[in-house]
Amino acid sequence: KQEVTQIPAALSVPEGENLVLNCSFTDSAIYNLQWFRQDPGKGLTSLLLIQSSQREQTSGRLNASLDKSSGRSTLYIAASQPGDSATYLCAVMDSNYQLIWGAGTKLIIKP
Amino acid sequence: ETGVTQSPTHLIKTRGQQVTLRCSSQSGHNTVSWYQQALGQGPQFIFQYYREEENGRGNFPPRFSGLQFPNYSSELNVNALELDDSALYLCASSLAKGAGAEAFFGQGTRLTVV
Repeated sequence: KQEVTQIPAALSVPEGENLVLNCSFTDSAIYNLQWFRQDPGKGLTSLLLIQSSQREQTSGRLNASLDKSSGRSTLYIAASQPGDSATYLCAVMDSNYQLIWGAGTKLIIKP
Repeated sequence: ETGVTQSPTHLIKTRGQQVTLRCSSQSGHNTVSWYQQALGQGPQFIFQYYREEENGRGNFPPRFSGLQFPNYSSELNVNALELDDSALYLCASSLAKGAGAEAFFGQGTRLTVV
């Protein structure tokens, strides 16, 4: 059974720092991995999608990597801003085309 | 804006009642998935519909049921509501059910059962 874990559960850093969020999964048989952002009480915003054949994707200050063999993905945020404060969730699409989710990392960027 | 809209945005129901949540998928998307997200947790997969047929179901009891219509919009029905059904219900649409399909989410429906 696929399980997704995100570490840390919460992170607070000063504005301007570069940071890394981690996501691990137990079964390497995935079709893709997606990173989302969720603001309090709101829905999900897709940030980056990495296909199983890809190693990384970039969008602006965000870079996500995928190492399928070790069951790990990282989301790198460069030059963090207070507006980046949110909960970040990763999800893998399993062999049944279902998204399996981590519990998220709550990120606070202090001005 | 993802083009996926859910209604209503908030809802309060009494234990034992029934509820219907609605999702309008992004134009051209033929697959809709529903998720339940309890406070402080990641979403849990409820079920998925592809071209009006159920295409996978998570670990939810039969009182959670759904429909997909010819225009690919969808409904989630929950009967005999329980207090633990209080959660954010998320709908996602995608172009295809298979690999590589990126999921786009609506803003969710916050259901409170009292």
